[in-house]
Amino acid sequence: GEQVEQRPPHLSVREGDSAIIICTYTDSATAYFSWYKQEAGAGLQLLMSVLSNVDRKEEQGLTVLLNKKDKRLSLNLTAAHPGDSAVYFCAVGRSNTNKVVFGTGTRLQVLP
Amino acid sequence: AQTIHQWPVAEIKAVGSPLSLGCTIKGKSSPNLYWYWQATGGTLQQLFYSITVGQVESVVQLNLSASRPKDDQFILSTEKLLLSHSGFYLCAWSLWGNSGNTLYFGEGSRLIVV
Repeated sequence: GEQVEQRPPHLSVREGDSAIIICTYTDSATAYFSWYKQEAGAGLQLLMSVLSNVDRKEEQGLTVLLNKKDKRLSLNLTAAHPGDSAVYFCAVGRSNTNKVVFGTGTRLQVLP
Repeated sequence: AQTIHQWPVAEIKAVGSPLSLGCTIKGKSSPNLYWYWQATGGTLQQLFYSITVGQVESVVQLNLSASRPKDDQFILSTEKLLLSHSGFYLCAWSLWGNSGNTLYFGEGSRLIVV
């Protein structure tokens, strides 16, 4: 089945710097990709979703890049601020299934 | 707007005791529903999903069961808790749209088994 690796597991950046999180997946039939943010003790908040026919999507200081050849998905937080401190997860799935696989998570700390 | 409510927010239960966690979705007709489990500091493991009332598919059972008694309700349960059941349980609904199968999560139920 699908396996998703996420790195780095921990990331610390200064306020105003960018933060990049990467997921690699194994199933070439993966059709959709999402990024989520989880604050301490809370559920997951959807940040952005893309289909496999999208290479790049930008929204509100976030950029998602998809490299299908390398099976790599990335999330770039430009100009991070302390409120971005949280755990971030990628999630992927195929178009003919309701099985959604999550990455291992990245704990992001943004220092003032 | 759609809302998703999970109950209880938190529980402390004894090993061997029963458990029932619930999830209700309002504002969305016939949603796909999901249960995920998250160990402390860990990733999310999909347990079950349901596409319609009375129909539940198991992904990983972990000695748990799920039921969908109503269109807007998803229940996770077991008759005998294990220590390994401790963790954070998340319910989600999904919408197939222009960006694929996007999941929307509830606030979770924290379970401590002692």
